[in-house]
Amino acid sequence: QVQLQESGPGLVKPSESLSLTCAVSGYSISSGYYWGWIRQPPGKGLEWIGSIFHSGSTYYNPSLKSRVTISVDTSKNQFSLKLSSVTAADTAVYYCARHTSGYDYFDPWGQGTLVPVSS
Amino acid sequence: QSVLTQPPSVSAAPGQKVTISCSGSSSNIGNNYVSWYQQLPGTAPKLLIYENNKRPSGIPDRFSGSKSGTSATLGITGLQTGDEADYYCGSWDSSLSGAVFGGGTKLTVL
Repeated sequence: QVQLQESGPGLVKPSESLSLTCAVSGYSISSGYYWGWIRQPPGKGLEWIGSIFHSGSTYYNPSLKSRVTISVDTSKNQFSLKLSSVTAADTAVYYCARHTSGYDYFDPWGQGTLVPVSS
Repeated sequence: QSVLTQPPSVSAAPGQKVTISCSGSSSNIGNNYVSWYQQLPGTAPKLLIYENNKRPSGIPDRFSGSKSGTSATLGITGLQTGDEADYYCGSWDSSLSGAVFGGGTKLTVL
């Protein structure tokens, strides 16, 4: 059974960088699939941030591309998100999920982690 | 301002049927697969439908998906109070080269 778990700091200050890690268990990232990040501002809908393949190939949301870096560490079976120059608008629950590229659905999802951006 | 358009809310009585629409364009739904997600209050989204009309194991056949042209529909029959949730459609947008979601539809089972 594939499981994903997000981790990272609980609070980020404006203008700083947000960094999160998603640990994958029950499946080797190196075996395939893309792995993605999706966020959800409080009370709002879902927004795809980007996805990465085990080789390091990435897709990013064009609206966030200039601030986003997604990386993968196959030795630790995890992938990470870095979002730079954050503002209050980046306050959201951040989810990681396995991304079946080509058919483009996300399953399963991590439980999500709320990252407030505040001074 | 989501790329895919869903009604903000729908409602129906227990035991009844409801449909949720998702409208897009030729760059997304028209030429790519549609997926649907259920988000119960306070939880992560859960895949309900993939590849337009397929159900993952464990999803009851009360949930169904269909696609026609640049629109898709999620159907739920035999409504239960436990189905009260937010429902999101998703697809790939070939022009944006990215995944896109609808704004979500809140289902109320009266």
